[in-house]
Amino acid sequence: AAGVIQSPRHLIKEKRETATLKCYPIPRHDTVYWYQQGPGQDPQFLISFYEKMQSDKGSIPDRFSAQQFSDYHSELNMSSLELGDSALYFCASSKSGANLQGGYEQYFGPGTRLTVT
Amino acid sequence: AQKITQTQPGMFVQEKEAVTLDCTYDTSDPSYGLFWYKQPSSGEMIFLIYQGSYDQQNATEGRYSLNFQKARKSANLVISASQLGDSAMYFCAMSTGRRALTFGSGTRLQVQP
Repeated sequence: AAGVIQSPRHLIKEKRETATLKCYPIPRHDTVYWYQQGPGQDPQFLISFYEKMQSDKGSIPDRFSAQQFSDYHSELNMSSLELGDSALYFCASSKSGANLQGGYEQYFGPGTRLTVT
Repeated sequence: AQKITQTQPGMFVQEKEAVTLDCTYDTSDPSYGLFWYKQPSSGEMIFLIYQGSYDQQNATEGRYSLNFQKARKSANLVISASQLGDSAMYFCAMSTGRRALTFGSGTRLQVQP
């Protein structure tokens, strides 16, 4: 079965540089999420898109932006990188059900490990 | 706001034994979903099992079962017949509808031969 694809898998950047992370959700999934997981921490929600429109925002720094394109892939753009941005970045996707009761299963990509030096 | 609490930072279990990982939650939403994810040392986040707040029966998926006690706001994960490959970090999480997941702090499970 198709899974969520993320690229690149590993990225090393220097402080103040920019980075772009890409995510290709599972086909026919209508919602994409971005999470950041620092070392030894649980994943923290950054931003989500439903049918290519931003639907919710979490603790995403102003230096970060994201969008979802017509083919449903999403990109997370990170500028003025700081040492504290070093983390594992996950993209997840889900498919809405017939009703909004409960929650929708989110399937995660393998993550992009960003190291800022 | 939704909150997940996992009080066991680490757990040990012997191979072939069953283990229960604790999870309690708090929310004011009348409907919600509860999830368990496994994160091996390689880093990927693997979906294990889901329980809807209105589901009458506890969810099961192979060796995984979710002990859902709504009145106590608990959603413990039970792994039967532990295997060495079960050694990983386990996260309990919750959400409602298309909202993002709120995660607990995780429990690191180590299966010993």
